[in-house]
Amino acid sequence: AQSVTQLGSHVSVSEGALVLLRCNYSSSVPPYLFWYVQYPNQGLQLLLKYTTGATLVKGINGFEAEFKKSETSFHLTKPSAHMSDAAEYFCAVSEGNQGAQKLVFGQGTRLTINP
Amino acid sequence: EAQVTQNPRYLITVTGKKLTVTCSQNMNHEYMSWYRQDPGLGLRQIYYSMNVEVTDKGDVPEGYKVSRKEKRNFPLILESPSPNQTSLYFCASSLSAPLFRTRAFFGQGTRLTVV
Repeated sequence: AQSVTQLGSHVSVSEGALVLLRCNYSSSVPPYLFWYVQYPNQGLQLLLKYTTGATLVKGINGFEAEFKKSETSFHLTKPSAHMSDAAEYFCAVSEGNQGAQKLVFGQGTRLTINP
Repeated sequence: EAQVTQNPRYLITVTGKKLTVTCSQNMNHEYMSWYRQDPGLGLRQIYYSMNVEVTDKGDVPEGYKVSRKEKRNFPLILESPSPNQTSLYFCASSLSAPLFRTRAFFGQGTRLTVV
């Protein structure tokens, strides 16, 4: 079974600083990778996903992530943090026959933005 | 508006009293799924359904039941709730499997407390 590890349950950055949220996965086959964001009292929203092709993926709200197969990583970055980025972020990989059955989530990283 | 609707949003119940959490989507999606979210564990899949009358267990199905009698609805049933089922529950849907091809939509969550 696949597993997803997010390094750091809490990350705090200053407004305007670089955001880096780390994600590593275990997979013996090409994975399909996702980042979701959860704002307070809301469901999850898809930020971006990697399926095939270009390894640098751009998402909404200025976020991007790079798939590095050799490092089994899919870290999320944003050059300049905004107060509205404060939320919990989940990395996920799809599992099952051709990635069909489910999303396997990491433990989540709560991002705090300091003014 | 495309959405996944869960009810209730908040529920406090007593051990052993049967309850149902409803989930409805208005997007004609084939695939639906239930997750529970617990601190430090991320989201874990309880059950999923690939289509009407087709359901299967996820990672943590014990103590739960589901049904998929019509495409839009996917209720989660706790026949005899226990305190360890206190959690935040999310319903999700997507147009079809494989998941990596289509975006998953999440409901706003149901916070369940079993005392």
